[in-house]
Amino acid sequence: QVQLMQSGAEVKKPGSSVKVSCKASGGTFSSYAISWVRQAPGQGLEWMGGIIPIFGTTNYAQKFQGRVTITADESTSTAYMELSSLRSEDTAVYYCAREATGGSNFFDYWGQGTLVTVSS
Amino acid sequence: DIQMTQSPSSLSASVGDRVIITCRASQSIGSYLNWYQQKPGKAPKLLIYAASSLQSGVPSRFSGSGSGTDFTLTISSLQPEDFATYYCQQSYSIPWTFGQGTKVEVK
Repeated sequence: QVQLMQSGAEVKKPGSSVKVSCKASGGTFSSYAISWVRQAPGQGLEWMGGIIPIFGTTNYAQKFQGRVTITADESTSTAYMELSSLRSEDTAVYYCAREATGGSNFFDYWGQGTLVTVSS
Repeated sequence: DIQMTQSPSSLSASVGDRVIITCRASQSIGSYLNWYQQKPGKAPKLLIYAASSLQSGVPSRFSGSGSGTDFTLTISSLQPEDFATYYCQQSYSIPWTFGQGTKVEVK
């Protein structure tokens, strides 16, 4: 059974950075893409970007280009999402999700979410 | 970016009702359309992928249809555990984008 375990909640000051981790177990980590999706309070889902660990290739949503960095460590089956220059609008729950394919690319396993609060 | 528009944004229904949620893409996306269910405080759960394929373990009362720009998610007989918010998501082109969500509430 695939599980994605994320790091704990964070409180950050505006202008700082946050790095959230996502450790995979129970599956083949490297051959699946891992995406990061965020959800602001009371709002919908927003894809930020993703990585294919075996290739190290990344894709980012234009909105986050230059502020987000997604990396992966195959040795520990862990993916990371770092968001810089934080502002209050970045307060959200951040999810990692495994991206599978089968006629479509879809997120079949999700982490439990990490609440990032940006406040002065 | 491909815009995904769901309707309605919310609906009220009773147990046993047939519920239909629609999702429209701003351009043709073939069958690159997925549906998720989300309950408060929980991560989304995959229901349907590739427009009409039922994810393993998901009850057969959920079904999906459509292609091109217009898609539907149907719950044939609403159960108490189905009250939640539903999202569509396109995977035709990056950035992957989601609909704004449809909240299914108790009537």
